[in-house]
Amino acid sequence: GDSVTQTEGLVTLTEGLPVMLNCTYQTIYSNPFLFWYVQHLNESPRLLLKSFTDNKRTEHQGFHATLHKSSSSFHLQKSSAQLSDSALYYCAPHSGYNKLTFGKGTVLLVSP
Amino acid sequence: ETAVFQTPNYHVTQVGNEVSFNCKQTLGHDTMYWYKQDSKKLLKIMFSYNNKQLIVNETVPRRFSPQSSDKAHLNLRIKSVEPEDSAVYLCASSYGQGGAEQFFGPGTRLTVL
Repeated sequence: GDSVTQTEGLVTLTEGLPVMLNCTYQTIYSNPFLFWYVQHLNESPRLLLKSFTDNKRTEHQGFHATLHKSSSSFHLQKSSAQLSDSALYYCAPHSGYNKLTFGKGTVLLVSP
Repeated sequence: ETAVFQTPNYHVTQVGNEVSFNCKQTLGHDTMYWYKQDSKKLLKIMFSYNNKQLIVNETVPRRFSPQSSDKAHLNLRIKSVEPEDSAVYLCASSYGQGGAEQFFGPGTRLTVL
């Protein structure tokens, strides 16, 4: 089956600094969709952004990611962290197995 | 209001009891899912249905059984719960599969004593 490796555990940042959360994946499917879902405290996960196209930057709500099939990566970035970005972030490929495989998640904590 | 609804919000029960959770979506989607989110926030799919047909059935204990009456409803029954079943159960829906965005309900938190 598919697998995902994300930046481990907790990432702490000061407001205004850039965000980089790593995601690499493994799948036998040659054309996977890649997703980032975000879960704020006491809420459910919701889609942040997704991509299917190799080497194309995808942006949403100030975040961006580029799918690189050559390196099986889909890192999440933002130029300047905000307090409201504090949340749990999941990377997930969707392959031919008809399901999303979520990574272990990365907690981003932004402080003033 | 169009969304994914789950009942109950919380459920506390004893080992060995049977529980049922309900999920309804009013988004007009054709695919529904059950996920388990454990205390470490690991999020894993359990089942998914497309137009009432089971399409994903992960390796979960046989005491878990999904029930779909129509494409807007997907329930989950757990016969004889065990302590490791304590978790948040999240229902989600999407229009189609593949690259479709999944919309999650608020979850049902199960505590097994």
